Amino acid sequence: DAGVIQSPRHEVTEMGQEVTLRCKPISGHDYLFWYRQTMMRGLELLIYFNNNVPIDDSGMPEDRFSAKMPNASFSTLKIQPSEPRDSAVYFCASSLGGVKYNEQFFGPGTRLTVL
Amino acid sequence: AQSVSQHNHHVILSEAASLELGCNYSYGGTVNLFWYVQYPGQHLQLLLKYFSGDPLVKGIKGFEAEFIKSKFSFNLRKPSVQWSDTAEYFCAVGSGRFGAGTRLTVKP
Repeated sequence: DAGVIQSPRHEVTEMGQEVTLRCKPISGHDYLFWYRQTMMRGLELLIYFNNNVPIDDSGMPEDRFSAKMPNASFSTLKIQPSEPRDSAVYFCASSLGGVKYNEQFFGPGTRLTVL
Repeated sequence: AQSVSQHNHHVILSEAASLELGCNYSYGGTVNLFWYVQYPGQHLQLLLKYFSGDPLVKGIKGFEAEFIKSKFSFNLRKPSVQWSDTAEYFCAVGSGRFGAGTRLTVKP
């Protein structure tokens, strides 16, 4: 299996622009997670899906952030409009059966820089 | 929701030194705990996990962790570190929430 795939790996954009991050989970996994990693806050859980349905989005910082999972093999995290404080590494992870007992498999991350 | 905290932000050790990284979790009923590692340029990967039973859990690469319920702790240990253990280490709870991470630098 190719593992969790994220694109792009690096994104540089200007403040005010729309940014879309993409994730393909491991085939057969029924949970998908989006995380944001910064020096100040560490690894923050933004949102997670179960069977393509958003379950907990309490970590989404504000309305500028939105996430979708139109099918079992694809998810997007969108920031509109982007701001310099959104600069971070964004990770996608997937698991089979939830994370209470099961391992999460992480993608390589997308490093976002907002100028 | 259950949360987890790591108080050591950056630890620097010499090779062969012993390692202990702290992890504390908030009370929240059943506790499931994980340690993940992120080597430079690589994905986060699982080191070990605890659900129940023996509070001393052994993981990959010689790492172990001890669950101490009375202290709400799940500290990661390794008797003798190697240069290749240089990485960032994350403690996590079974809600998918992670600690801030501890960067370990091992000097050769």
